[in-house]
Amino acid sequence: SQTIHQWPATLVQPVGSPLSLECTVEGTSNPNLYWYRQAAGRGLQLLFYSVGIGQISSEVPQNLSASRPQDRQFILSSKKLLLSDSGFYLCAWSGRGSLARETDTQYFGPGTRLTVL
Amino acid sequence: QQPVQSPQAVILREGEDAVINCSSSKALYSVHWYRQKHGEAPVFLMILLKGGEQKGHEKISASFNEKKQQSSLYLTASQLSYSGTYFCGTEMTWNQGGKLIFGQGTELSVKP
Repeated sequence: SQTIHQWPATLVQPVGSPLSLECTVEGTSNPNLYWYRQAAGRGLQLLFYSVGIGQISSEVPQNLSASRPQDRQFILSSKKLLLSDSGFYLCAWSGRGSLARETDTQYFGPGTRLTVL
Repeated sequence: QQPVQSPQAVILREGEDAVINCSSSKALYSVHWYRQKHGEAPVFLMILLKGGEQKGHEKISASFNEKKQQSSLYLTASQLSYSGTYFCGTEMTWNQGGKLIFGQGTELSVKP
């Protein structure tokens, strides 16, 4: 069965410090991968998605970046954190769908709660 | 392009029914429904594809009206475990890497 891991689970960082969040998926190959951010009491904002190694699409211009160095690894980074970067960061994966149904379920990881002070 | 969910919040007694709507101003390819408990990751409920299908999952079902670009989630005989925030995620076309745009959420509270 497929599982998705995120770490760390919680993180407290000072303003201006760098960030690296990691997400890995097991039990599947060639998944689509996604990074979302959820501010307190708010909805899910899509930040990046990737359909393959080295292929990253950015949805929101900001000081964050994403990379996919391996098929099942997705990394979210920042060189200098802002207060507004605080939130709940969720990684998700989906399959590629099929001819019968060209869409697939997104499964979310447990998330990383980031507080920038 | 963010879909609009209504109502924003609803309070129910156990056993009561609720309907949550998700509307888009753009043509949709699919609608995905999720439930999120406080402090946890969203959990998948169901997918509906264009074509006006209706699906069910225990006492939770959903419909997709392609003409209105609206999906509705039906919760019948609600249980305490149904409490949480419900999100719809919409997909405009099938060839965009499965990208979903989520609504702002509907907070559902079920009281004993």
